[in-house]
Amino acid sequence: DSGVTQTPKHLITATGQRVTLRCSPRSGDLSVYWYQQSLDQGLQFLIQYYNGEERAKGNILERFSAQQFPDLHSELNLSSLELGDSALYFCASSVDPSNEQYFGPGTRLTVT
Amino acid sequence: AQSVTQLGSHVSVSEGALVLLRCNYSSSVPPYLFWYVQYPNQGLQLLLKYTSAATLVKGINGFEAEFKKSETSFHLTKPSAHMSDAAEYFCAVRFRDDMRFGAGTRLTVKP
Repeated sequence: DSGVTQTPKHLITATGQRVTLRCSPRSGDLSVYWYQQSLDQGLQFLIQYYNGEERAKGNILERFSAQQFPDLHSELNLSSLELGDSALYFCASSVDPSNEQYFGPGTRLTVT
Repeated sequence: AQSVTQLGSHVSVSEGALVLLRCNYSSSVPPYLFWYVQYPNQGLQLLLKYTSAATLVKGINGFEAEFKKSETSFHLTKPSAHMSDAAEYFCAVRFRDDMRFGAGTRLTVKP
């Protein structure tokens, strides 16, 4: 158990819908990262937050957005969902951007 | 720009045999290097990390990796494979705040 929690574990929704994935970092970690893992794209970095502020952006679509709240939990919002958005979404956290990341168990999103 | 390449998307070994998973990196400055393991239906778990203190790094579950600057490599090894080692392994390189993951190597262990 890494100490990073993600909810929900599984999510099934229809195309065009919007979903929110939630992540609680390890106690004391200020940095949160979001990743997408799919069979064809592998592990893709989406976005990083540090102490509430956006720190880095990766391959995140405009339909996706995220934020980190004052209590340091983070949410990833996915809208206008397409079949291709079906993937595992991981959250990771670290004490700060220079330290190793600890991953949560992931949220499996299925878009039908 | 830094990058990481894992050679071989699939590696198969027999139980008790040597495990060797290859990782090469590209970085303009000394990198921080990591190996992660992902078991089926789970998140990534940190196996070990290189932070320039020692070139041979020991991790969990009997794995170790050696940093070779001249070869820009950070290969992961384990002397004797166990069935429970079957998983996907990711090499990662960090430069400042930017973390890059390799495409992953799926390790199969045959009885």
